[in-house]
Amino acid sequence: KNEVEQSPQNLTAQEGEFITINCSYSVGISALHWLQQHPGGGIVSLFMLSSGKKKHGRLIATINIQEKHSSLHITASHPRDSAVYICAVSTGNQFYFGTGTSLTVIP
Amino acid sequence: EPEVTQTPSHQVTQMGQEVILRCVPISNHLYFYWYRQILGQKVEFLVSFYNNEISEKSEIFDDQFSVERPDGSNFTLKIRSTKLEDSAMYFCASSESGEGFSPLHFGNGTRLTVT
Repeated sequence: KNEVEQSPQNLTAQEGEFITINCSYSVGISALHWLQQHPGGGIVSLFMLSSGKKKHGRLIATINIQEKHSSLHITASHPRDSAVYICAVSTGNQFYFGTGTSLTVIP
Repeated sequence: EPEVTQTPSHQVTQMGQEVILRCVPISNHLYFYWYRQILGQKVEFLVSFYNNEISEKSEIFDDQFSVERPDGSNFTLKIRSTKLEDSAMYFCASSESGEGFSPLHFGNGTRLTVT
């Protein structure tokens, strides 16, 4: 049973394209995290959300609590955005992670 | 910018041996976490730690695992008797406030290989 589902699993885009990664979850949450995992394995936290929308540079994250759904958008994508993007939720007791979306941005 | 530091970056050990993975969280952070990622699989939560005690742990965190904050800076994960299936990348993370109030800061991970 997967508490967190992400789509797509793999995504290839041309530089400059607008990208959307989706995350659905099935548990009650205290927060949702979007993480970026680099090819070397390191993980960076991009956003933590419990409601609404957040923006940081070219990245935008939204969450709909009623629908248990979140999206991560990348505007004007760049090859350096190539990474695995992971959605994770915390219930206050546990963390659950999605399997990640592998993004490749081609110049 | 302050960061979470993990050592070693790679540890190779024989089955049955004890290993200690070390983490130095960001100095003003109060909440600490360990996660693992088996090669090719998703990240999994192991344990959270606050106020010198375990807050939550997952089913993975059985009696073979323990965590400790031996001094004011280090946060360690001990695996008592390693098994082949313990081979994974182990990530430490810390946050200033509790879950949902402040973001997580991850270390670069320790790759554990059990032979």
